[in-house]
Amino acid sequence: SAVISQKPSRDICQRGTSLTIQCQVDSQVTMMFWYRQQPGQSLTLIATANQGSEATYESGFVIDKFPISRPNLTFSTLTVSNMSPEDSSIYLCSGGDRGKTFFGQGTRLTVV
Amino acid sequence: DAKTTQPPSMDCAEGRAANLPCNHSTISGNEYVYWYRQIHSQGPQYIIHGLKNNETNEMASLIITEDRKSSTLILPHATLRDTAVYYCIVRVVETSGSRLTFGEGTQLTVNP
Repeated sequence: SAVISQKPSRDICQRGTSLTIQCQVDSQVTMMFWYRQQPGQSLTLIATANQGSEATYESGFVIDKFPISRPNLTFSTLTVSNMSPEDSSIYLCSGGDRGKTFFGQGTRLTVV
Repeated sequence: DAKTTQPPSMDCAEGRAANLPCNHSTISGNEYVYWYRQIHSQGPQYIIHGLKNNETNEMASLIITEDRKSSTLILPHATLRDTAVYYCIVRVVETSGSRLTFGEGTQLTVNP
């Protein structure tokens, strides 16, 4: 199994600012994903982070708001841009390997 | 992805078996059944997955009906630490990892 680490684990940010979340996997994985979990709700897929090319975004999510980088097979970042209180959520990174997908512990973001 | 239906909540006594049902009547022949769980404030944890045969690992057993339209996750001896939201997901397995679509899941509460 893959171990996925996220930084920061939590943050409180001012509206209008941006936060970059880092995701590190302890082994190479071909696919990495970013999810959002709003309070009391299930997980929603934001995008697939593609190594060496632009991320693939799900309906309702756009690159200008959630730019994603994937410079190699073990690392990815998600930026939440121009934040508003509605962006307060848990953001989770995941990585896939041999049919299984593993998750980080998430980044709890509060926008004030 | 095939849609799944799970009861919103279930209770189980500590030490007893927890049987969590999932309906996936529109599952396709090449779709697997995955189970994940999310303990409060943690990232989702992979439990088990299967195609058509019953599967067992150190965490749980997965029973898939012959017509593959439903399945049951069995935790043989539930403990208080098994209290979590359990998600049943069907997805085509990609060798490099699977993009997962989460429903609302089943909140399992294990009572002393």
